[in-house]
Amino acid sequence: KNEVEQSPQNLTAQEGEFITINCSYSVGISALHWLQQHPGGGIVSLFMLSSGKKKHGRLIATINIQEKHSSLHITASHPRDSAVYICAVPPWGAQKLVFGQGTRLTINP
Amino acid sequence: GAGVSQSPSNKVTEKGKDVELRCDPISGHTALYWYRQSLGQGLEFLIYFQGNSAPDKSGLPSDRFSAERTGGSVSTLTIQRTQQEDSAVYLCASRHGTGGSTDTQYFGPGTRLTVL
Repeated sequence: KNEVEQSPQNLTAQEGEFITINCSYSVGISALHWLQQHPGGGIVSLFMLSSGKKKHGRLIATINIQEKHSSLHITASHPRDSAVYICAVPPWGAQKLVFGQGTRLTINP
Repeated sequence: GAGVSQSPSNKVTEKGKDVELRCDPISGHTALYWYRQSLGQGLEFLIYFQGNSAPDKSGLPSDRFSAERTGGSVSTLTIQRTQQEDSAVYLCASRHGTGGSTDTQYFGPGTRLTVL
């Protein structure tokens, strides 16, 4: 079993829909990262959170440390949101990141 | 300022040859990571450098892989006697050294390596 599991692996939706991507992890962590990888391959960091909720524009990330679960939400989705979304965690005491397998999101106009 | 840069952007090599991949981190970033993303696979940690400390090499898949970081800045990932399973995108990331693993990592565009 992977230390970081994401669901769904693939998600296709219509423009305007509310999107939820889930991440569960089995290791102890101090924080969790959400990353976005566009079709061209570039990776950008969206959020780093250790508790509660963070919001940036139409993106919202939540985390429950006790339940070892995080969600990434996109409101009013748009075709430009189409990308692979990756959850990553640094296990306690480690500097490296352990990555989920990613969720490929496609938003159709 | 400039982001993380990597060169070359693409590299095609023959099985058995050695390759060198280069990463220029963001100026002032003391932490540097190498990751690998194989086709259809997730990201995989390879090696981590922090300042003058000994690197964390725990992710290197075999002794054919090595990396160095000169002067606390530029890093080179070397793969000796390349194999077809080494074909992947190799990504470099850097971050400030102060916040530990909770700091944002800034990723380079990657080097796509194809071993024929």
